[in-house]
Amino acid sequence: AQSVTQLDSHVSVSEGTPVLLRCNYSSSYSPSLFWYVQHPNKGLQLLLKYTSAATLVKGINGFEAEFKKSETSFHLTKPSAHMSDAAEYFCVVSDGSNKLTFGGGTRVLVKP
Amino acid sequence: DAGVIQSPRHEVTEMGQEVTLRCKPISGHDYLFWYRQTMMRGLELLIYFNNNVPIDDSGMPEDRFSAKMPNASFSTLKIQPSEPRDSAVYFCASSWVGGGNTIYFGEGSWLTVV
Repeated sequence: AQSVTQLDSHVSVSEGTPVLLRCNYSSSYSPSLFWYVQHPNKGLQLLLKYTSAATLVKGINGFEAEFKKSETSFHLTKPSAHMSDAAEYFCVVSDGSNKLTFGGGTRVLVKP
Repeated sequence: DAGVIQSPRHEVTEMGQEVTLRCKPISGHDYLFWYRQTMMRGLELLIYFNNNVPIDDSGMPEDRFSAKMPNASFSTLKIQPSEPRDSAVYFCASSWVGGGNTIYFGEGSWLTVV
């Protein structure tokens, strides 16, 4: 069985400051891990994915995530938030099949 | 690439009516998924197909829900009869076996049952 816990349901940051979204997972297998972003009234867009290559993964729009097996974490970061980053972010785990398990989501608010 | 295409984008219907949601996956993808998103339950996998064959429908809430994939480029999710508690965003997504489990989502169908 696999599961994902996003530790913050809401995160508020000021524009230009760093963003940290926390994710812990559990999986019986070597997992694939993803971060998706959902802007208001839109579908889910893939930000980045980890599939057992480099542990630091770079994604679109300046986001990156680090896979830490010892901590079973896959936190998402961005050095400088932009107003357009206001959205909901989902951490997702796959056990190697095409069935994904989604975290509960973290809603990001960016203040000017 | 056109991405996953869903229709309708928005639908408002009366309780008891039949609702049909449609999906065209990305060309060449051999997996198709239907998800439902609500505030209370988040994202739930309803059913997924591989090469047009339903593989796992354990997430389909009840017999009122049915899904078909008559060919590789088209799928439907039908609710009959619809109920207010079916109000949600329904996402279709697709992937391919060589894609490293990456799933691509459509823009969603916003369903309101009144």
